[in-house]
Amino acid sequence: QSALTQPPSASGSLGQSVTISCTGTRSDVGGYNFVSWYQKHPGNAPKLLIHDVNKRPSGVADRFSGSKSGYTAYLTVSGLQADDEADYYCFSYAGSNSPYVFGSGTKVTVL
Amino acid sequence: QVQLMQSGPEVKKPGTSVKVSCKASGYTFTDYFIHWVRLAPGQGLEWMGWMKTRSATSRLAQKFQGRLTLTMETSVTTVYMEIHRLTSDDSAMYYCAAEMTPKTFHLWGRGTMVTVSS
Repeated sequence: QSALTQPPSASGSLGQSVTISCTGTRSDVGGYNFVSWYQKHPGNAPKLLIHDVNKRPSGVADRFSGSKSGYTAYLTVSGLQADDEADYYCFSYAGSNSPYVFGSGTKVTVL
Repeated sequence: QVQLMQSGPEVKKPGTSVKVSCKASGYTFTDYFIHWVRLAPGQGLEWMGWMKTRSATSRLAQKFQGRLTLTMETSVTTVYMEIHRLTSDDSAMYYCAAEMTPKTFHLWGRGTMVTVSS
C-alpha cells in the first residue's frame, strides 16, 4: 500500500490560511469517509485534528477544518498561529486487505 | 486518567529482536483496538498493525508480516509489539494508539525510541 500523496511543504503568514491536499485512490480516500488528519510537533506524539473527513474532536480549535472531493482530502488551517508550524499527516482506511495508510506528510511553515 | 504508557528506549544490534510495551489505563482495556505506528528519521508516519483487544487477534501491514508480532496480556492491560531480525531501517520512534472511534486514533502513547546499531 503506497503512502497517500501530500505536498512536502506548505506555508502561510500569521493570520492567513493554508490548505493541504491528500491524494489517494478509489481504494482508500475515494472509497471511504474514514479520513483523519494528525498534527506532529517534534518530540511530541501525533495529535488528532480531524476525523471522518470533517469532524473535529472536542478541544481542537475550529480553525482546523477538513473536506474531501473524489480521491483527494483537504485540511485547511485558518488564522495561522506560530504553534501551527508542524508536520501534518492524513490517514485513511483502505479496506480489509490493506487496512490503513498514512499520507507522506506536509511540513507547514508559518511566515 | 485515560492514557497509554509505553516502555523506555531500546538500543539493539542488527539481527536481534525488540519488544515494546504499551499499557492502557483509565478505560476498559478491551473496548478499543490498539494500533502501532512508527516514525523513522526523515520518513513519514507508517501504520504497522493492530491488536483487537477483545479477542486478542491481530492484523499486520503486509510489509511487516513474518517479522512483527503483536501480543497482549489482559491482566495487566498491556499490548506488546515485537520486531524480529532488526536492521538499521527499523531505527525509529514507535507509537501505540487507541482507536476510540472507528478508524481514528484519539489517544496516543508518548513513543518508544528504538535504535538499531552495531
